[in-house]
Amino acid sequence: GAGVSQSPSNKVTEKGKDVELRCDPISGHTALYWYRQSLGQGLEFLIYFQGNSAPDKSGLPSDRFSAERTGGSVSTLTIQRTQQEDSAVYLCASSLDSGRWETQYFGPGTRLLVL
Amino acid sequence: DAKTTQPPSMDCAEGRAANLPCNHSTISGNEYVYWYRQIHSQGPQYIIHGLKNNETNEMASLIITEDRKSSTLILPHATLRDTAVYYCIVRVTTSGTYKYIFGTGTRLKVLA
Repeated sequence: GAGVSQSPSNKVTEKGKDVELRCDPISGHTALYWYRQSLGQGLEFLIYFQGNSAPDKSGLPSDRFSAERTGGSVSTLTIQRTQQEDSAVYLCASSLDSGRWETQYFGPGTRLLVL
Repeated sequence: DAKTTQPPSMDCAEGRAANLPCNHSTISGNEYVYWYRQIHSQGPQYIIHGLKNNETNEMASLIITEDRKSSTLILPHATLRDTAVYYCIVRVTTSGTYKYIFGTGTRLKVLA
């Protein structure tokens, strides 16, 4: 079956523009996770969904970041008024449920470059 | 929130045990410790996790101190393919919701 997919794979944008990053989880996976990895830096947990609900949004770096999930499937991470420090690889992952974080499958990531 | 502290880098001779430390002195009683690794240019890979007791699986062992303020990931016989960045992560649970606090990672280099 298909794994986790993300689009676009690469995105170059200008400072101040809005961007939308998309994640398609594995079918049947109710939990979905977003992470960020800035160039040469470590992994950073952003947010997770159980179903369509994100119980804790405090991991989002600023109020320019938002995420939603619809139909218990596709999720979108939106960054408004992008800044150069937003340049990073954004990873998405999914698992059967949020209690099984260790079984998550990762997507290939979206590489975002803000000029 | 609990935080984790890891050494930035370590070397290990091939075939020897690699012992990767993690300090999580502010951890609470219901917070799990997880380890993931990331081999260059690849996605993160789950290794092991635990709460209080030591754990072992086919990849590694996790030793958690009795006071839970620190832990050690042990790769018993390191190979060149174990060269990667290893992340120690604490899962914070609040009212049934989860948050994952990543350490900055230890870059392990296994030497031939």
